[in-house]
Amino acid sequence: NAGVTQTPKFQVLKTGQSMTLQCAQDMNHNSMYWYRQDPGMGLRLIYYSASEGTTDKGEVPNGYNVSRLNKREFSLRLESAAPSQTSVYFCASRAGGRTDTQYFGPGTRLTVL
Amino acid sequence: LAKTTQPISMDSYEGQEVNITCSHNNIATNDYITWYQQFPSQGPRFIIQGYKTKVTNEVASLFIPADRKSSTLSLPRVSLSDTAVYYCLVGPIYTGRRALTFGSGTRLQVQP
Repeated sequence: NAGVTQTPKFQVLKTGQSMTLQCAQDMNHNSMYWYRQDPGMGLRLIYYSASEGTTDKGEVPNGYNVSRLNKREFSLRLESAAPSQTSVYFCASRAGGRTDTQYFGPGTRLTVL
Repeated sequence: LAKTTQPISMDSYEGQEVNITCSHNNIATNDYITWYQQFPSQGPRFIIQGYKTKVTNEVASLFIPADRKSSTLSLPRVSLSDTAVYYCLVGPIYTGRRALTFGSGTRLQVQP
């Protein structure tokens, strides 16, 4: 049981390049989330998916797109990277029910030059 | 979602009890209080969650007064490995479409 996995761990892009961050969970959770965390700051929600087939914007969605490929996988795409998107990106999944626990992946450290 | 206020940073020594208080004056009837811990270069990790009174698990205790306008996370006998950022979150938990809102958290530094 790996929990939440993310690839890649590190990535350097040039301004204007595109890339997709991958996230997968093996806990059969319905809800999945993408957050970004800038240095010294808390997490900000980019997009989330309450269930397979649905996605919704979070606090900072501009410049990003997401795909909920199936129940396990939730990807985040940067179509044209900008230096302001330099951050650490965390994917999470939510258990639901009587607890509100979100399980986080190890993060992807992205630098846009 | 209810806005939360917590100290930016706290210092402690090994073996002491640490209490981190979070204010949430506009907490709603359906809201729960949840605390997460984040170590450097890692994703946040769930610590504890409660609705009222006191909740205790193997890691921490959570004290919630009757008016629920604040809550206190209590870490007994901290060690160096408890150095981390602690986040207080408030919101309903049964709505599948809701996501958590993380503030800036409290940075706890434990000294030897």
